Amino acid sequence: AQKITQTQPGMFVQEKEAVTLDCTYDTSDPSYGLFWYKQPSSGEMIFLIYQGSYDQQNATEGRYSLNFQKARKSANLVISASQLGDSAMYFCAMREDDSSASKIIFGSGTRLSIRP
Amino acid sequence: ETGVTQTPRHLVMGMTNKKSLKCEQHLGHNAMYWYKQSAKKPLELMFVYSLEERVENNSVPSRFSPECPNSSHLFLHLHTLQPEDSALYLCASSQQTGRGTGANVLTFGAGSRLTVL
Repeated sequence: AQKITQTQPGMFVQEKEAVTLDCTYDTSDPSYGLFWYKQPSSGEMIFLIYQGSYDQQNATEGRYSLNFQKARKSANLVISASQLGDSAMYFCAMREDDSSASKIIFGSGTRLSIRP
Repeated sequence: ETGVTQTPRHLVMGMTNKKSLKCEQHLGHNAMYWYKQSAKKPLELMFVYSLEERVENNSVPSRFSPECPNSSHLFLHLHTLQPEDSALYLCASSQQTGRGTGANVLTFGAGSRLTVL
C-alpha cells in the first residue's frame, strides 16, 4: 500500500506567487518524521525541510514552510514568493521508526514549473 | 571532498558484465543507503546499512549485491543485469540517533546513471 501520496504530478505557477504542494501519509507508528526534498534537473536530491511527529509547531525554513495537519495525516509544502530556480521535482518522504534503522520512503513526486 | 560522492556518474553495461557503483561519505554519518530511481516510479529503497551492518534489504534481486566495508564507503556490485535495471542509483547517508530521536536527514550523492543494454 502506498504510504506517501502526492496527488499532483505537475504544477505550473507564476513567478512570485505562493505554491502549495500536497502530501498525505499513512503510518500507525506514533513516532515518525516527514521531509521534503527538491530534485533539480541535475539529479541531486536537496533536503528542504523536516517535521517530527511530536513537533508542536509547523516547521519553517526561509521561504519553505510545512503545513502539518496530524489528524488528517497531511504534510503540505508551502513555498512563498516562488522563483524561477524553484522549478524542479519535489518529493515528500517519511521516516518510520519501527525498525533497528530508520527507513525513509518517498512519494512519487510533483514536478513544479515556475512561469516568468 | 565534502558530502556524498558517487562514482561513476554514468555507466553503460551489457547484460553479462560485472560492474560496481561506489559511494563515499565525508560527513561522519553512521548509516548509508542505496535508492533506485526509475522513470515514472517513486524512489525505491534498496538497502540500508547502519554501523556497517545491513539492516534492510527491500526484496532486491540477488543480481544487486551491496557491500559496506566501513562507515564511509558503500558499494553496489552489479552482475547479469536486465534492461529494466536501467535507472539512476542514488546513495545517501545519515546520522541515526536512535528510535524517535533526531531527524535522520538523508544527504544524497549526485547519483550514478546506469544503462543496461
